[in-house]
Amino acid sequence: DADVTQTPRNRITKTGKRIMLECSQTKGHDRMYWYRQDPGLGLRLIYYSFDVKDINKGEISDGYSVSRQAQAKFSLSLESAIPNQTALYFCATSDPTGGNTEAFFGQGTRLTVV
Amino acid sequence: KQEVTQIPAALSVPEGENLVLNCSFTDSAIYNLQWFRQDPGKGLTSLLLIQSSQREQTSGRLNASLDKSSGRSTLYIAASQPGDSATYLCAVRANTGNQFYFGTGTSLTVIP
Repeated sequence: DADVTQTPRNRITKTGKRIMLECSQTKGHDRMYWYRQDPGLGLRLIYYSFDVKDINKGEISDGYSVSRQAQAKFSLSLESAIPNQTALYFCATSDPTGGNTEAFFGQGTRLTVV
Repeated sequence: KQEVTQIPAALSVPEGENLVLNCSFTDSAIYNLQWFRQDPGKGLTSLLLIQSSQREQTSGRLNASLDKSSGRSTLYIAASQPGDSATYLCAVRANTGNQFYFGTGTSLTVIP
């Protein structure tokens, strides 16, 4: 089983719909992140969380919200999806203990907004 | 803001060649640098992590170097194989702040 699991893997939704992308991890890491990837732009940070009570905006948080339901679960919501939110979304975790901070990524969710 | 650049954007080599992928970053105050591999439509697989105090890391046919003062890292792939075909991404983590900054990647094709 993957250490970082994202569901769904693919989703097509209509403009204006609310959609939630889910992420769960078995690595026991406190830090979790949501990124989106667009061709030619690389990965950009949407939100990150350092523990259940800590939520922070990244560089492109507008139009998104998140929920950290537990240490192992971090969900990303699009309240009212729009076509330019069509992208590949990645969840990631990292653990700063021991000074490592290596990042681990899920397999991605391909979201298409029509 | 940290800017990460990867050159070239695409590279095609015959099987067996040694090759170098480049990553440059604008702010040398980094905590670490990580190289990833991404296959089409797939997630990111961590290849090598270099802490800011390190000069290089090796894993099998891969060797990553870091020159923090000049803002550069290279990923050396020895004896390339068709299975190495993928996009390679580098990401830096700043000393301050809490995110990884990614380059746009180098798309590598190894021709049999």
